[in-house]
Amino acid sequence: NAGVTQTPKFRILKIGQSMTLQCAQDMNHNYMYWYRQDPGMGLKLIYYSVGAGITDKGEVPNGYNVSRSTTEYFPLRLELAAPSQTSVYFCASSPGREETQYFGPGTRLLVL
Amino acid sequence: DQQVKQNSPSLSVQEGRISILNCDYTNSMFDYFLWYKKYPAEGPTFLISISSIKDKNEDGRFTVFLNKSAKHLSLHIVPSQPGDSAVYFCAASGGTNAGKSTFGDGTTLTVKP
Repeated sequence: NAGVTQTPKFRILKIGQSMTLQCAQDMNHNYMYWYRQDPGMGLKLIYYSVGAGITDKGEVPNGYNVSRSTTEYFPLRLELAAPSQTSVYFCASSPGREETQYFGPGTRLLVL
Repeated sequence: DQQVKQNSPSLSVQEGRISILNCDYTNSMFDYFLWYKKYPAEGPTFLISISSIKDKNEDGRFTVFLNKSAKHLSLHIVPSQPGDSAVYFCAASGGTNAGKSTFGDGTTLTVKP
């Protein structure tokens, strides 16, 4: 099992550009999550999904969009990149509601 | 309002000694708590968890204690090893946050040889 994979590892964006952060898991987990981690801070939940076709907002959803058409993939879309979105983004998956989350290696995003 | 707080940004201990990492929470509906460990340039990995029906859970060198009345949990690592040097995150879920974990800001543990 590859677990949770994320691409790209690192990206530099100009203000106003858009991009999609990719996330895939091969564990057949129902729950998937996107977090951002700013320097010296904890993980803030952006969006999450409890199954294919179902998504919901987390703590910091503004400026992001998600979709979940299959169990395996949960891409995160940034439409108009802003410097405040400079962060490290982690995708995670979980088999159930109160279960351990498995994290990907992260995508480091720099918006200039 | 930060619902999960780790008040010590850093902790340094000698190899072989006990490391105690603390976490406080404010939401009384939280009923499931986890600790994750994170090395630089990697994603967090699960370490140990505890349900609110218990007050202690042990896994090898790692023990988590939960004091529900004080809304406080702690992670004990005995004995500490240099490979334990990492950032440790406390996370909580439950109530309206069921299925979504709220994370603390982390404590950086350094274990000196």
